[in-house]
Amino acid sequence: AQSVTQPDIHITVSEGASLELRCNYSYGATPYLFWYVQSPGQGLQLLLKYFSGDTLVQGIKGFEAEFKRSQSSFNLRKPSVHWSDAAEYFCAVVPSGGGADGLTFGKGTHLIIQP
Amino acid sequence: DAGVIQSPRHEVTEMGQEVTLRCKPISGHDYLFWYRQTMMRGLELLIYFNNNVPIDDSGMPEDRFSAKMPNASFSTLKIQPSEPRDSAVYFCASSLLRGGYTFGSGTRLTVV
Repeated sequence: AQSVTQPDIHITVSEGASLELRCNYSYGATPYLFWYVQSPGQGLQLLLKYFSGDTLVQGIKGFEAEFKRSQSSFNLRKPSVHWSDAAEYFCAVVPSGGGADGLTFGKGTHLIIQP
Repeated sequence: DAGVIQSPRHEVTEMGQEVTLRCKPISGHDYLFWYRQTMMRGLELLIYFNNNVPIDDSGMPEDRFSAKMPNASFSTLKIQPSEPRDSAVYFCASSLLRGGYTFGSGTRLTVV
């Protein structure tokens, strides 16, 4: 069965510093890959997605992610974080071949921004 | 586009009562998903529909849970009878094939 691992439960970053959130997946073939953000009491907002093509994907709010097939990873990055980036971040995957299945989510990484 | 609309936003009910959660997907999206989010288990897929037909309900925890999609613009998730362990945030999402999945704001259910 496919699975998604986000190894960092919590990450604390100073405002203005760079950020990298890790995501690894386990699946027989390259799935479609997503990053979502959830602010407290809110729903999930799509930051970016990867289906195929260029392995560096640009998203909203200044985020980007890089797909590395050899490492089965899809890490999220931002060069300079803002206090408003404090939230829960979820990596998710779905099989790429035929049909549409529900997303399988990682457990999430809680991002804390220090002033 | 109003996005995926869920109601109610919050629901508090007593154990044993019936609870119905509602979802209006984005117009034109042909897939609809119900998720449950808890601290212990994270985000779990309960059931999903394609063109109003249930495709996979293997995530539905028990027979107390049921979901319907009578038309392309409306779906319900029903819990009968409700139990305290059903307390969670329930999300509805809709999508097109190979599209992004758009989530609603969720319904926070508390069963006392």
